[in-house]
Amino acid sequence: EADIYQTPRYLVIGTGKKITLECSQTMGHDKMYWYQQDPGMELHLIHYSYGVNSTEKGDLSSESTVSRIRTEHFPLTLESARPSHTSQYLCASSGLLGGGVLYQETQYFGPGTRLLVL
Amino acid sequence: GENVEQHPSTLSVQEGDSAVIKCTYSDSASNYFPWYKQELGKGPQLIIDIRSNVGEKKDQRIAVTLNKTAKHFSLHITETQPEDSAVYFCGGGTASKLTFGTGTRLQVTL
Repeated sequence: EADIYQTPRYLVIGTGKKITLECSQTMGHDKMYWYQQDPGMELHLIHYSYGVNSTEKGDLSSESTVSRIRTEHFPLTLESARPSHTSQYLCASSGLLGGGVLYQETQYFGPGTRLLVL
Repeated sequence: GENVEQHPSTLSVQEGDSAVIKCTYSDSASNYFPWYKQELGKGPQLIIDIRSNVGEKKDQRIAVTLNKTAKHFSLHITETQPEDSAVYFCGGGTASKLTFGTGTRLQVTL
């Protein structure tokens, strides 16, 4: 079971509001990701971070911004929400799994935040 | 970059039958291929993964096969149960840089 958390789980907000979606993980993973999942269920990478003070844009252009001040925390912010931002946002992290001489990196997802902008 | 294609987009099987979902990838440098199950209202959950140094991996009713030459990998679910109904995603690339398939909605009917 992955220890990665997202809040809020559901959010309904009016156009123009500023919102921050929270994501935290307790696994000590260096790498964290934000995906946007459209109604057709496709997953699109919008931001990622390979460590503290490191953030990069993903494959899908997004008006959101992210920050990584602490290893365990990777919030996503929309300065001015619009109806086009309505979507499910999934946070993930990846790190090494295993023991002994064999360590393998694996990516885990949080439960998601479903955002509706009116 | 990597391109992952997944088929079929929907799959309906009777309880007890097997289900097979297939994915292809384009980048020969890809070395990690996970499968995720997403139930309604939840995030994707890793159910099995395979790395390029093995050709097959099994975990109870779930197995994954990888053909590096043909650049395709498949998820096999045997003895399907109603609780297997969900959307399944394949991924390809590295654990730090995954490209996902478009998902398969599996429906297991009684």
